[in-house]
Amino acid sequence: AQSVTQLGSHVSVSEGALVLLRCNYSSSVPPYLFWYVQYPNQGLQLLLKYTSAATLVKGINGFEAEFKKSETSFHLTKPSAHMSDAAEYFCAVSDRAGNTGKLIFGQGTTLQVKP
Amino acid sequence: NAGVTQTPKFQVLKTGQSMTLQCAQDMNHNSMYWYRQDPGMGLRLIYYSASEGTTDKGEVPNGYNVSRLNKREFSLRLESAAPSQTSVYFCASTIEQTAGYGYTFGSGTRLTVV
Repeated sequence: AQSVTQLGSHVSVSEGALVLLRCNYSSSVPPYLFWYVQYPNQGLQLLLKYTSAATLVKGINGFEAEFKKSETSFHLTKPSAHMSDAAEYFCAVSDRAGNTGKLIFGQGTTLQVKP
Repeated sequence: NAGVTQTPKFQVLKTGQSMTLQCAQDMNHNSMYWYRQDPGMGLRLIYYSASEGTTDKGEVPNGYNVSRLNKREFSLRLESAAPSQTSVYFCASTIEQTAGYGYTFGSGTRLTVV
């Protein structure tokens, strides 16, 4: 069965510092992988996705993520945090085999950005 | 460009009452989903509809029913609300379930059952 684990429910960084949000997945077949962001009292917005075209994926707002099959990881990074990046971030995996392509979400990581 | 529209945005129910959460998308998507979000648990899939005319159970279907009314609309019904159903409910849609496009989410319905 597929699963997603996000390491750290809360991450705090200073403005201008590197952002690193960790995601590890479990899947029996090469998956699709996604990062979503949720701002307070809003729905989820797609940040980026991996669908096997390239292992380094660039998304919106300066975020990027690298698919590492050997480590079963898909960590999200941003070189320099902005105050506006404070939000909750979700990693998700989708099984591309058969017709089961439902998204399975991690527990979420809340990013705090300190001035 | 409405995307996915959910109504209502907020609702308070008494235990045992029933209600229907409405969801509509205007992107001609085939697949639609209902998730619930609870603190520390991420989003959990309640029901989904891979295409018009089909519905299937997700991870936490107990206490809920769904109807795929047409291609645009996918409703979630609570027949007899319980306090454990206090949550934020999100509807989402995608072009095709297996194509890796990612989902478009609505803004959510915040439900409190007292």
